[in-house]
Amino acid sequence: RKEVEQDPGPFNVPEGATVAFNCTYSNSASQSFFWYRQDCRKEPKLLMSVYSSGNEDGRFTAQLNRASQYISLLIRDSKLSDSATYLCVVSTGTGRRALTFGSGTRLQVQP
Amino acid sequence: GAGVSQSPSNKVTEKGKDVELRCDPISGHTALYWYRQSLGQGLEFLIYFQGNSAPDKSGLPSDRFSAERTGGSVSTLTIQRTQQEDSAVYLCARGTGGGGSYNEQFFGPGTRLTVL
Repeated sequence: RKEVEQDPGPFNVPEGATVAFNCTYSNSASQSFFWYRQDCRKEPKLLMSVYSSGNEDGRFTAQLNRASQYISLLIRDSKLSDSATYLCVVSTGTGRRALTFGSGTRLQVQP
Repeated sequence: GAGVSQSPSNKVTEKGKDVELRCDPISGHTALYWYRQSLGQGLEFLIYFQGNSAPDKSGLPSDRFSAERTGGSVSTLTIQRTQQEDSAVYLCARGTGGGGSYNEQFFGPGTRLTVL
């Protein structure tokens, strides 16, 4: 079983739609949670950190459920420029501070 | 940018040759990471530096892979006797590091390595 699992998609949505991505992680010792965005043939870029209380950044809302080991990302009012692969990422924090990446969910926003 | 530069951006080599990949983060970031992303694969961790020491090398796939960091800044990843399965994008990231549980990482543009 992979440490971080995501639906690979693709999600094809029209502009203006709301889309939600889900992710589950297996290591209960995970302490840090993130969503990264990766455009084709580019490096991953941090979209947002995910906090226990949930957090919002403009059109993006992230939620964390530690009991279910589940992370979500909601994108409202999708733009063409949101087309990318969204990577769910966790870290155990102290000690082994490496990030563990999901395989990503591909989003294609269509005009 | 993310405050991390990498060189070369592309490297094509022949099987069996040694290669060196360089990462240069902006100053003041003691935490540095190497990852690689193979075609169609997710990112996999290779090694973590805190200052000049590497407390976690658990991701290095074989003893052909090594890395060092000098002056708490530039890091070099060396792959000896390259194999075709080493072909991947090698990514370096700087960490916000320090104490606490959140360790946001910011990636450089990567080096695309092709082993013929």
